[in-house]
Amino acid sequence: DAKTTQPNSMESNEEEPVHLPCNHSTISGTDYIHWYRQLPSQGPEYVIHGLTSNVNNRMASLAIAEDRKSSTLILHRATLRDAAVYYCIPMDSNYQLIWGAGTKLIIKP
Amino acid sequence: DAGVTQSPTHLIKTRGQQVTLRCSPISGHKSVSWYQQVLGQGPQFIFQYYEKEERGRGNFPDRFSARQFPNYSSELNVNALLLGDSALYLCASSLEGFGGSIGGTDTQYFGPGTRLTVL
Repeated sequence: DAKTTQPNSMESNEEEPVHLPCNHSTISGTDYIHWYRQLPSQGPEYVIHGLTSNVNNRMASLAIAEDRKSSTLILHRATLRDAAVYYCIPMDSNYQLIWGAGTKLIIKP
Repeated sequence: DAGVTQSPTHLIKTRGQQVTLRCSPISGHKSVSWYQQVLGQGPQFIFQYYEKEERGRGNFPDRFSARQFPNYSSELNVNALLLGDSALYLCASSLEGFGGSIGGTDTQYFGPGTRLTVL
């Protein structure tokens, strides 16, 4: 299973862009990269996923390195409601999903 | 549409007891996964079920078992509770699970969790 490395925590100012990095150097060629976030006292929620090319949705953008060994989740304009733990999770069809400790994002007003 | 529901929301048990946690998936979803989340850590995968069949199992002892019913709801059972079983138990539903035709693109939708405290 692919392992991930994320910073323990990051801080950002409200209404500024946030770039959350993730290293997944052991990812296989068919593993999708998913990002989920967990707001305080809630279950995780899906943010975005991708395979090789960059992806955008209403919540965020995902930039995937050409060698796929790293990716960056981009929140274009962080709000206080974006304060959460963000998880980067390579997903495959082996049915075992290994989540790391994630990055705690702190948004300063 | 209702999201994923879990019951109960909180539970207090003593060591050695048995507990059953329940999950109802989103309508139309056929796969349910169970996770254990200890405070300060990410979720740990316990089981995934699809169409009543176990599709995957994480590294948990046999004291943990689960099943999925014809209506796709699911139960997680934990026997002989230990203090270390105290955690937030999360249920997630998805269309097919990760062994399905959409594989790694399947998206999981999580319930609010059941907080289990073992004394």
